[in-house]
Amino acid sequence: AQSVTQPDIHITVSEGASLELRCNYSYGATPYLFWYVQSPGQGLQLLLKYFSGDTLVQGIKGFEAEFKRSQSSFNLRKPSVHWSDAAEYFCAVGVTNTGNQFYFGTGTSLTVIP
Amino acid sequence: NAGVTQTPKFRVLKTGQSMTLLCAQDMNHEYMYWYRQDPGMGLRLIHYSVGEGTTAKGEVPDGYNVSRLKKQNFLLGLESAAPSQTSVYFCASSSPGQGMRGYTFGSGTRLTVV
Repeated sequence: AQSVTQPDIHITVSEGASLELRCNYSYGATPYLFWYVQSPGQGLQLLLKYFSGDTLVQGIKGFEAEFKRSQSSFNLRKPSVHWSDAAEYFCAVGVTNTGNQFYFGTGTSLTVIP
Repeated sequence: NAGVTQTPKFRVLKTGQSMTLLCAQDMNHEYMYWYRQDPGMGLRLIHYSVGEGTTAKGEVPDGYNVSRLKKQNFLLGLESAAPSQTSVYFCASSSPGQGMRGYTFGSGTRLTVV
């Protein structure tokens, strides 16, 4: 069965510091992987996605993620965090065998301190 | 603007009341979905549809019914609302030809059952 694990429920970083959010997935085939961000009271915004090819994926707002098949991971990174990055981050696996479904992780809440 | 539109955006219900959430998409997508988002749970699939007149259960279907009478609309019904159905509901659509590409989420409906 497909599943996504985000082991960190909450992370606090200082503004300007680097950031890495962890994501591990379980899926039998090559996964479609996504990171979404959600600000309080808002909808989901797609940060980046991996379908195939280069395992290092660039996204919006200076984020990147690296797909590591051997570790079943798709960690999100940013070299220098801005206060506006405070939000909830969701990793997700996309499965196309039955109607294109998403399986989401439980999310990581990011707090940025001055 | 093309996309997925959810109606209403906010609603407060009393326990036992019924209501219908409407999702409309203008991208001619065959597939449509209803997810719910709860704190600490990420998004979970309630029901989905792979075409007009067809529906299927997702991960958490109990207490909900759906209908897809027209290709562009996907309705989510609560026959007798319960406090446990307090959540944020997201509709989405996609196309089988695009796989996970072009998967589009609506902006959400915040439902409170008191």
